Amino acid sequence: GAVVSQHPSWVICKSGTSVKIECRSLDFQATTMFWYRQFPKQSLMLMATSNEGSKATYEQGVEKDKFLINHASLTLSTLTVTSAHPEDSSFYICSAPPGGKYYEQYFGPGTRLTVT
Amino acid sequence: ELKVEQNPLFLSMQEGKNYTIYCNYSTTSDRLYWYRQDPGKSLESLFVLLSNGAVKQEGRLMASLDTKARLSTLHITAAVHDLSATYFCAVDIFTSGTYKYIFGTGTRLKVLA
Repeated sequence: GAVVSQHPSWVICKSGTSVKIECRSLDFQATTMFWYRQFPKQSLMLMATSNEGSKATYEQGVEKDKFLINHASLTLSTLTVTSAHPEDSSFYICSAPPGGKYYEQYFGPGTRLTVT
Repeated sequence: ELKVEQNPLFLSMQEGKNYTIYCNYSTTSDRLYWYRQDPGKSLESLFVLLSNGAVKQEGRLMASLDTKARLSTLHITAAVHDLSATYFCAVDIFTSGTYKYIFGTGTRLKVLA
């Protein structure tokens, strides 16, 4: 089955620094990837749609300059949290639809970000 | 505003009992997805329901979809402790040239031995 990986699985950073999270599709190409954020005991909220070769599409209320998304290749999307603050601490999950099943998404294992 | 609501939000049940989780959504969608999430983990796909009347079963879980009522159910039969987790439903919507998922509020299930 389709596999999506994320790196790192967890990261701790200091306020004001930036942190990059990678999302890779291991056995399929993904022209589109999605980034979600999940706060403790809450649901997943779509942050943005990452598009290979073009700009990401951000959901309402998500700061584009704070959450930089780069879809560098058909198998890699990165989310960079810039000038991180404690309120950015969250569980970040990416997903991608495998080729041929445009409506179905496969989810990565998630990245736990803690900003101190 | 598109809403996907689950009921109940919390569920504590005894082993061996049956129960149903409901997922209501406010948009027109022919597809619905059920996921399980264990603490600290990502999502595990349980069911993909692709049309009205779809019913799928896996072990003690059975999911169904009524697109006319905009309702999906996840039925638990003879619950066991291993089913303790948070369950999410999601619908997809086509917007801005792609399909996006909107997740439900989640149902935290605790099965008591």
